[in-house]
Amino acid sequence: ILNVEQSPQSLHVQEGDSTNFTCSFPSSNFYALHWYRWETAKSPEALFVMTLNGDEKKKGRISATLNTKEGYSYLYIKGSQPEDSATYLCAWSSSGGYNKLIFGAGTRLAVHP
Amino acid sequence: EAEVAQSPRYKITEKSQAVAFWCDPISGHATLYWYRQILGQGPELLVQFQDESVVDDSQLPKDRFSAERLKGVDSTLKIQPAELGDSAMYLCASSLWRTGVPDGYTFGSGTRLTVV
Repeated sequence: ILNVEQSPQSLHVQEGDSTNFTCSFPSSNFYALHWYRWETAKSPEALFVMTLNGDEKKKGRISATLNTKEGYSYLYIKGSQPEDSATYLCAWSSSGGYNKLIFGAGTRLAVHP
Repeated sequence: EAEVAQSPRYKITEKSQAVAFWCDPISGHATLYWYRQILGQGPELLVQFQDESVVDDSQLPKDRFSAERLKGVDSTLKIQPAELGDSAMYLCASSLWRTGVPDGYTFGSGTRLTVV
C-alpha cells in the first residue's frame, strides 16, 4: 500500500505567524511531489511540483523543500495571512506511471486575524 | 485562464437512484482523471483516461460505477445505484501528457454528492 501522510491534520495560527507542514511519501520509485492549495468552494490550485532531491521552490510567502532519500517534503508559510486559510494537499507520483497522483489527506490551515 | 468545467456543482439523490457527473477538461489535455474525496481523507483516483482509453480504473467500484470519454474530450462518470457511502466530493482534473515531464493537474470545482 502506497501511503502519503500529512501532518498536522489541522492548524490554527494567528495572522503574522509563520508555520510549516510535513508530507511523507514512499522514497522508492519516486518521480515527483506536488503541493496544492484548496480553498473552500474553489478548485485545488497547484503550488509546486518538485522532482529533485534538495529542491526548494518559492512562491511569494510560501516555500517548499524536498528530501527524496528519506521521503519527506516541508511546506512553509511566512507571515500567515487570513487569505492563506485553506487545505494544503501534497501528492506523490511514481516513475513509470501515467502521472497518477496519490494524495495525502491534507493539512487544514486557519489563520485568525 | 482555461478551466476544467464540471457539473452539477451539488447533487442530492436518494439511495438506489442513478446519478451522473460531467467534466470538460482543458482543451489539448490528453489525460483526464476522476477523483473522489470522502470527508477527512485525501482524494482517491477512481479512473484515469489517456485520450479515450482507460489507463487506470483499479479503484473504481465497477459493479455500480462507470466512466466514459467517448471522443477523448469530455467525460461522464455514472453511479447506479447510488449508496449512502457514495456521499463525497467528486473531482475531475486534466493534464498534459508529456514523456518525462511531471505535469501538474488542473482541477474542476468538483461535484458535492449527498446520498440520502
